[in-house]
Amino acid sequence: KNEVEQSPQNLTAQEGEFITINCSYSVGISALHWLQQHPGGGIVSLFMLSSGKKKHGRLIATINIQEKHSSLHITASHPRDSAVYICPRPDRSGSARQLTFGSGTQLTVLP
Amino acid sequence: NAGVTQTPKFQVLKTGQSMTLQCAQDMNHEYMSWYRQDPGMGLRLIHYSVGAGITDQGEVPNGYNVSRSTTEDFPLRLLSAAPSQTSVYFCASSYSSGALNTEAFFGQGTRLTVV
Repeated sequence: KNEVEQSPQNLTAQEGEFITINCSYSVGISALHWLQQHPGGGIVSLFMLSSGKKKHGRLIATINIQEKHSSLHITASHPRDSAVYICPRPDRSGSARQLTFGSGTQLTVLP
Repeated sequence: NAGVTQTPKFQVLKTGQSMTLQCAQDMNHEYMSWYRQDPGMGLRLIHYSVGAGITDQGEVPNGYNVSRSTTEDFPLRLLSAAPSQTSVYFCASSYSSGALNTEAFFGQGTRLTVV
């Protein structure tokens, strides 16, 4: 079983819709990252969180350590949000030196 | 700050050739890592380093060497390129901050084709 399971794998939404992407982990986590990979291939860090919720603009990330689950929400989605969203798990120390990746969620937002 | 800089962005190699992918960061990060991304798959860790002079293997280290002579630089060497090494390579760096969990910064990627 993959250590990191994301759902859905593919998501198409209309502009303005509220979007949720989920990550579940088969091993204990102390924190996790949310990354965005642009169509051109570049990877940008969106969040690193170890508890509760973080918000940045239209993006909200939540984490439940006990349930080994995290969600990324996008409010008022826009075509420029179209990208692959990835939630790698840090290593046991919680650092980013060894990240374990799932395959990501391909999001397409249509105008 | 330039962040994490990878060179080259694109490279075509013939089977058996060797080359070095360069990665440099100007954020004084202790941790640096190399990943490869194959179509339809998540990134996989090749090698990582927790500081100058210290490196370790990741999930898919075969066919690759690394060294960390300075904090800033973490080159990845392909010893004898094989078509199976056709991939997109990403370098990443982050702080080592003890108990705190830290954000990862990624280079723009190197698209390597081995023919």
